[in-house]
Amino acid sequence: DGGITQSPKYLFRKEGQNVTLSCEQNLNHDAMYWYRQDPGQGLRLIYYSQIVNDFQKGDIAEGYSVSREKKESFPLTVTSAQKNPTAFYLCASSIDRGGETQYFGPGTRLLVL
Amino acid sequence: GEDVEQSLFLSVREGDSSVINCTYTDSSSTYLYWYKQEPGAGLQLLTYIFSNMDMKQDQRLTVLLNKKDKHLSLRIADTQTGDSAIYFCAESKNTGRRALTFGSGTRLQVQP
Repeated sequence: DGGITQSPKYLFRKEGQNVTLSCEQNLNHDAMYWYRQDPGQGLRLIYYSQIVNDFQKGDIAEGYSVSREKKESFPLTVTSAQKNPTAFYLCASSIDRGGETQYFGPGTRLLVL
Repeated sequence: GEDVEQSLFLSVREGDSSVINCTYTDSSSTYLYWYKQEPGAGLQLLTYIFSNMDMKQDQRLTVLLNKKDKHLSLRIADTQTGDSAIYFCAESKNTGRRALTFGSGTRLQVQP
């Protein structure tokens, strides 16, 4: 079964803690993306990567970091610098750097304790 | 203003047609997309249209694109209760940054 997986489904963060959200795809897609979704709003781009070992900031990158060491994996770290991390985080991938037709994972909901 | 705008809410009766509207601002957009999101889930790609087309039909879904007015619509024929969800319009801009720009979503409620 090809697709995009995200884990965990729910994640709880304590004050001052860094947490990492996992995103894996077995679609052999070059490009991967992280979006943040707040209630009643659309998706906002955090980071994207068009190729292994390269990534770019999106519109709301402050307080987040990423890595792209493998084609199939694009983990997102929510650092303690992100003061309002409670949101639904969605990972996506697309077949090439053109970015068209992105496919999404099931999402991770991050809550602050 | 917002790059992509959608109305917030639409309510229809089961069996009727639903029309969800979207306006965008970037005339250089190459592709325009419709995604569906059910509660607590990721986004499911429904359909997309290339910017040189004005209509695309896929079973119960019809997409209309008016490039002059930068207006996109999604028509769902014979709407079912399972179609209740949030629908997002998104554009792929013809820039170096190949990510999608999303509207804020339209919540479709289907009444039995």
